[in-house]
Amino acid sequence: DGGITQSPKYLFRKEGQNVTLSCEQNLNHDAMYWYRQDPGQGLRLIYYSQIVNDFQKGDIAEGYSVSREKKESFPLTVTSAQKNPTAFYLCASLSPSSYNSPLHFGNGTRLTVT
Amino acid sequence: AQSVTQPDIHITVSEGASLELRCNYSYGATPYLFWYVQSPGQGLQLLLKYFSGDTLVQGIKGFEAEFKRSQSSFNLRKPSVHWSDAAEYFCAVGAVDSSYKLIFGSGTRLLVRP
Repeated sequence: DGGITQSPKYLFRKEGQNVTLSCEQNLNHDAMYWYRQDPGQGLRLIYYSQIVNDFQKGDIAEGYSVSREKKESFPLTVTSAQKNPTAFYLCASLSPSSYNSPLHFGNGTRLTVT
Repeated sequence: AQSVTQPDIHITVSEGASLELRCNYSYGATPYLFWYVQSPGQGLQLLLKYFSGDTLVQGIKGFEAEFKRSQSSFNLRKPSVHWSDAAEYFCAVGAVDSSYKLIFGSGTRLLVRP
């Protein structure tokens, strides 16, 4: 079955360490997105990529970095510069054949930094 | 700027009762509107979407939503709630530009009384 795989489901890190969250999709989608979810704040866009080797900052990109070397993969690195990294991170993709295409979401990675 | 407001943080209804979740948006053009549902610790699943045509749209799991341009609203409804509907619900507006970004509301958590 096609879908989006995020791994791991739970991730624990010490403060000051960089950590990379994996996102892989086999839907042949061109566009991929990273959202951060905090209680009571909905989803906020971190980065997005519409094609391979290209990506744009979202609303809260500070302290994060991404790469898009392959169509299937869009890893997110949470750097030590991110002041409050503990959150639930969601990866999504879509095939932008039209503006009303819905996003497909992975099941998320919960990151805890202590 | 685009924005989405979900004024109710929590809603509790009895099983079998009707449900309406409110969503108001701010957007400079005809919006593309979505409702997603999220179970605890999971990704988001699309319930329904509106982009043009009939202002009453039907979705999965017996949900429907009505687009009212004059009120800038896209409220989600269900005539009879089931215990399995307990989840968090997100309204989102889609950017009608090349970014295909979605802006999400802060969510409404639905609790269902037996």
